[in-house]
Amino acid sequence: DTEVTQTPKHLVMGMTNKKSLKCEQHMGHRAMYWYKQKAKKPPELMFVYSYEKLSINESVPSRFSPECPNSSLLNLHLHALQPEDSALYLCASSRRGDRFEQYFGPGTRLTVT
Amino acid sequence: SQQGEEDPQALSIQEGENATMNCSYKTSINNLQWYRQNSGRGLVHLILIRSNEREKHSGRLRVTLDTSKKSSSLLITASRAADTASYFCATADIDSGGGADGLTFGKGTHLIIQP
Repeated sequence: DTEVTQTPKHLVMGMTNKKSLKCEQHMGHRAMYWYKQKAKKPPELMFVYSYEKLSINESVPSRFSPECPNSSLLNLHLHALQPEDSALYLCASSRRGDRFEQYFGPGTRLTVT
Repeated sequence: SQQGEEDPQALSIQEGENATMNCSYKTSINNLQWYRQNSGRGLVHLILIRSNEREKHSGRLRVTLDTSKKSSSLLITASRAADTASYFCATADIDSGGGADGLTFGKGTHLIIQP
């Protein structure tokens, strides 16, 4: 199974809402990533988990809160977002380290109203 | 932060022709990867070339890497309509801490294959 799944596919939320994005992989990868992609822009790294521990936070605002409950799951909790946070949120996984390709999920398209 | 600069930003060619995309980067890298993205959905890994390699092939794909110029090129031969997509180069910096550091993506080339 070389698939990374993400739910939901689409999400519309108000600025006062709390929601969560979910990502799952069963490839035994011990590194998982969240990227944010605005329209017609490249993906930008947000967070990296290595062995279920947060190893990189690319100065992401605290209204984004990642969580890695186990080696197969990655969540991104959202609270008090702004309209400019509307984007495609991509999850990826890889064998540990930068020396390996990353497998991406289809993304969650988030709209903040 | 963005590192790579793809050239061209957009490319339109006829089916059957070859497509070449270039990428430049700024830092010392462990490897450089190319990804394809269809219609703003998930990215698909195409090929990875390590910093000590100069050229790599995979099917209709040929990638070159010139670390002295900090540049790479992706060649797609005998293009097909299904190759229409955005193509991104992505770099993995030299590992400084033994962990996974994520990728830095270039701006991308939007490739259109005209049938």
